[in-house]
Amino acid sequence: KNEVEQSPQNLTAQEGEFITINCSYSVGISALHWLQQHPGGGIVSLFMLSSGKKKHGRLIATINIQEKHSSLHITASHPRDSAVYICAVLASGSRLTFGEGTQLTVNP
Amino acid sequence: KAGVTQTPRYLIKTRGQQVTLSCSPISGHRSVSWYQQTPGQGLQFLFEYFSETQRNKGNFPGRFSGRQFSNSRSEMNVSTLELGDSALYLCASSLAFLSNSPLHFGNGTRLTVT
Repeated sequence: KNEVEQSPQNLTAQEGEFITINCSYSVGISALHWLQQHPGGGIVSLFMLSSGKKKHGRLIATINIQEKHSSLHITASHPRDSAVYICAVLASGSRLTFGEGTQLTVNP
Repeated sequence: KAGVTQTPRYLIKTRGQQVTLSCSPISGHRSVSWYQQTPGQGLQFLFEYFSETQRNKGNFPGRFSGRQFSNSRSEMNVSTLELGDSALYLCASSLAFLSNSPLHFGNGTRLTVT
């Protein structure tokens, strides 16, 4: 079993829909990152969080340390949100461990 | 402020050769970390450098090495290349230790080993 599990692996939505991507992990962590990767490879860091909730524009990230679970929400989704979303956890030893990613496609 | 710069963007090498990749962090950032991304294994942590010292290393063979210079620029080297080393290699910089700061990624170097 991977230390970081993401669901779903693939997600197709219509423009305007509310989207949720989930991340579960099995180790103690000091921080969790949500990353966005567009075709071509460039990665953008969306959030780094260790507790609670963060919001940036239409994106919201939450984390529940006790349940070892985080969610990334996208409100009013848009085709430009189409990308791979990756969850990464910073466990002991300061090594980042990545989930397999969620491929999101938002259709107009 | 300039972003993280990786060079070269693309590289084609032959099995058995060695390769050196370069990463220039955002000005003022002292931590540089390296990652390998393949279709089969996804993203994997290679190593992190802070103030010219390797702080952490992932589970990769000794053929993978790196260093960081006094200006925080970093290089990674892969010796005796294997077909399985074909991947996108990404670096990221952060202000402080990996555990304390958001990451800023470069666009990556796509290495093809033939």
